[in-house]
Amino acid sequence: DVKVTQSSRYLVKRTGEKVFLECVQDMDHENMFWYRQDPGLGLRLIYFSYDVKMKEKGDIPEGYSVSREKKERFSLILESASTNQTSMYLCASSIPTSAVSYNEQFFGPGTRLTVL
Amino acid sequence: KNQVEQSPQSLIILEGKNCTLQCNYTVSPFSNLRWYKQDTGRGPVSLTIMTFSENTKSNGRYTATLDADTKQSSLHITASQLSDSASYICVVSTYSSASKIIFGSGTRLSIRP
Repeated sequence: DVKVTQSSRYLVKRTGEKVFLECVQDMDHENMFWYRQDPGLGLRLIYFSYDVKMKEKGDIPEGYSVSREKKERFSLILESASTNQTSMYLCASSIPTSAVSYNEQFFGPGTRLTVL
Repeated sequence: KNQVEQSPQSLIILEGKNCTLQCNYTVSPFSNLRWYKQDTGRGPVSLTIMTFSENTKSNGRYTATLDADTKQSSLHITASQLSDSASYICVVSTYSSASKIIFGSGTRLSIRP
């Protein structure tokens, strides 16, 4: 059974703190993604990675960075958390676009981050 | 501008009834359209996928339709069950890089006993 896990389900941090969100997948997928989900806005792509040590900016990368040192792990970093980064963060993985699965993404359960 | 719009935003129906959720898109070039189900507190899970040449795809009580000419899709749920209570998200992909996956904002469906 495919599995994407995220390090925390709920997280409360203070403004200015450095925050690490970890994501691990056990499907040997090349692609990994970080999204944030806010009511009425749907999922918005923050960063994605198509290979180890590779990263690409998504639609809303400001205030975030990522790290992918191993194929199975993709980390999202908030260098200095702000209240407007309070959100649900979802990690996903997929095999490459050219594959038969046509971009099916497998999602983790999400981390609900609150920044006070 | 690539956009995916879903309607209604929310819907409440009685258990056992049918319902239809709508998705309109302006994504180009079109590759495929996928419907995801997201239970509360969980990540989205894929229900169906359709490419340009497909206009109907079923998955149990879920039936998705696609009209590529009008750029519309619908998700029909038959004989609803309490476990169908969830958000349903329409996602459209283009032929370009992996970043060109556009999500709708979802329809929140509540099934009442």
